Amino acid sequence: DTAVSQTPKYLVTQMGNDKSIKCEQNLGHDTMYWYKQDSKKFLKIMFSYNNKELIINETVPNRFSPKSPDKAHLNLHINSLELGDSAVYFCASSGRGGASYNEQFFGPGTRLTVL
Amino acid sequence: SQKIEQNSEALNIQEGKTATLTCNYTNYSPAHLQWYRQDPGRGPVFLLLIRENEKEKRKERLKVTFDTTLKQSLFHITASQPADSATYLCALDGGYQKVTFGTGTKLQVIP
Repeated sequence: DTAVSQTPKYLVTQMGNDKSIKCEQNLGHDTMYWYKQDSKKFLKIMFSYNNKELIINETVPNRFSPKSPDKAHLNLHINSLELGDSAVYFCASSGRGGASYNEQFFGPGTRLTVL
Repeated sequence: SQKIEQNSEALNIQEGKTATLTCNYTNYSPAHLQWYRQDPGRGPVFLLLIRENEKEKRKERLKVTFDTTLKQSLFHITASQPADSATYLCALDGGYQKVTFGTGTKLQVIP
């Protein structure tokens, strides 16, 4: 009965590789997000999707490509991984669209380590 | 540019006292302000939301104030317990699916 789930929990890979992180929510929410939390614990939004449509792209390098096959899933594919991509990536969802409350429900995070 | 600052990276208090955490923002007109708790190795968990036309909100031992003139929110935990030890994040919601998080304050409640 997990609300927002992510896989994998840990990802260790070499520089230059391509990797994907998957996210699913069973809350019936319309909006899903990817956040990056760096080593200083600063949580920064990367992308937001509403009903499978991209609505926020916070100047993230185009090596990062989100994909939303349906409104319950938002995956993140990263090409040509760099050392600076090492961080914890959180998926989140929220239940309301438009200019309204955006209480975020977070997944457990994926710790990505690029060697 | 928009900036959200939580004035202490870390805060240590004695069990039973009231913890007060501060969130200040500039160049921002949020519709709502949210507070989250994050435990090590876990995702943030939503605690409270306060709207721009509300001055104060309470939930059990938690109290949040929101002063849009000062551009500041205060987050209080009364009768603090060691189990309250965590990182607390404020987040500004300007609408349109964008929530911007502050830098966080790590609270340690000492028994």
